[in-house]
Amino acid sequence: GAVVSQHPSRVICKSGTSVKIECRSLDFQATTMFWYRQFPKKSLMLMATSNEGSKATYEQGVEKDKFLINHASLTLSTLTVTSAHPEDSSFYICSASPGTYGYTFGSGTRLTVV
Amino acid sequence: GENVEQHPSTLSVQEGDSAVIKCTYSDSASNYFPWYKQELGKGPQLIIDIRSNVGEKKDQRIAVTLNKTAKHFSLHITETQPEDSAVYFCAAPPRGGANNLFFGTGTRLTVIP
Repeated sequence: GAVVSQHPSRVICKSGTSVKIECRSLDFQATTMFWYRQFPKKSLMLMATSNEGSKATYEQGVEKDKFLINHASLTLSTLTVTSAHPEDSSFYICSASPGTYGYTFGSGTRLTVV
Repeated sequence: GENVEQHPSTLSVQEGDSAVIKCTYSDSASNYFPWYKQELGKGPQLIIDIRSNVGEKKDQRIAVTLNKTAKHFSLHITETQPEDSAVYFCAAPPRGGANNLFFGTGTRLTVIP
């Protein structure tokens, strides 16, 4: 089946620094990938749609300058949390699909900003 | 946009009993309804999905039913086991497409041995 790999699984960074999270489709090409954010005991909230070769589409209320998305190839999308602050601490998850349906999620990245 | 509501938020069942989780959606054009299982500290895992051209789909102990008229779909787990304990999310795409998913609020299922 389709596999999506996400790294790192956990990261701790200092306030003011930037953190990059990678999302890779291992056995299929994905022109579109999605980034979600999940707070403790809450549901997944779509942050943005990553489009290969073009700009990402951000959901309302998500700061594009804070959460930089790059989708430079058909198998890799990256999310960079810039100038991170403690309120950015969260669980970030990416997803992609080899077709129209059946989205597969990465294993998630637990970001802690201290 | 799509509005997905999920009930109950928590559910405890005895091992061997059945569990049912229900979701309603608002967009009548939605045509794809997946269910995900999420274990602590991990990403969601697709366990079953259904498209709008069928009313029921079954995979061993897991089944999903869809009522398009009422705009609701349900997850049924039979013969529950302790390893079924997790958080389950339903989802639906907006405007009939599958470009992204709107998730329900989740159901924490606990199977008591």
